[in-house]
Amino acid sequence: SQQGEEDPQALSIQEGENATMNCSYKTSINNLQWYRQNSGRGLVHLILIRSNEREKHSGRLRVTLDTSKKSSSLLITASRAADTASYFCATTSGANSKLTFGKGITLSVRP
Amino acid sequence: DTAVSQTPKYLVTQMGNDKSIKCEQNLGHDTMYWYKQDSKKFLKIMFSYNNKELIINETVPNRFSPKSPDKAHLNLHINSLELGDSAVYFCASSLRFGGGADQPQHFGDGTRLSIL
Repeated sequence: SQQGEEDPQALSIQEGENATMNCSYKTSINNLQWYRQNSGRGLVHLILIRSNEREKHSGRLRVTLDTSKKSSSLLITASRAADTASYFCATTSGANSKLTFGKGITLSVRP
Repeated sequence: DTAVSQTPKYLVTQMGNDKSIKCEQNLGHDTMYWYKQDSKKFLKIMFSYNNKELIINETVPNRFSPKSPDKAHLNLHINSLELGDSAVYFCASSLRFGGGADQPQHFGDGTRLSIL
């Protein structure tokens, strides 16, 4: 069953602006991961945040996790046209490595 | 060198046929996965193997049979293809299985299966 729900489903911004994408999930998790998928390509891992962490940074990416609200956000600062892609959150729960993905957010960055 | 490679990239075939998709990873990972992505981009796990042993088997029709000859390869054979099998199939790998699964997964570029 689907775990993550991203919001919004589609986002269009101007180059240089910040993009914020949200993800909500239903059950307790071990960690939450964000992936990017360029058109016609496979998913690329961006960042992983563990359930005991609240915030993580990687370059222009900032991820937050609020386990009390069962939600996460991905912020991309100073967006570039090359950031145009679909973004997915995914969670793992329990003892196995099964990733449960959300529906994805389509981000368009206009040059 | 491509880390996770799948062949073929495109597969167009008639309903009722049997086809196979191959996947190889050169990352030295122990765990490999098959995912199905539908036309709405929803991604769902199908199978996972850890060191050639099946560990995740979601509710998938038994027309789908994965095979792992060694830990670097995971193939997917599909019998009696149906229209609803049209999708993009992704192979992925991760360093190990379990332990809270704090390992990222590395994906291939997918196999686009179209059933006529």
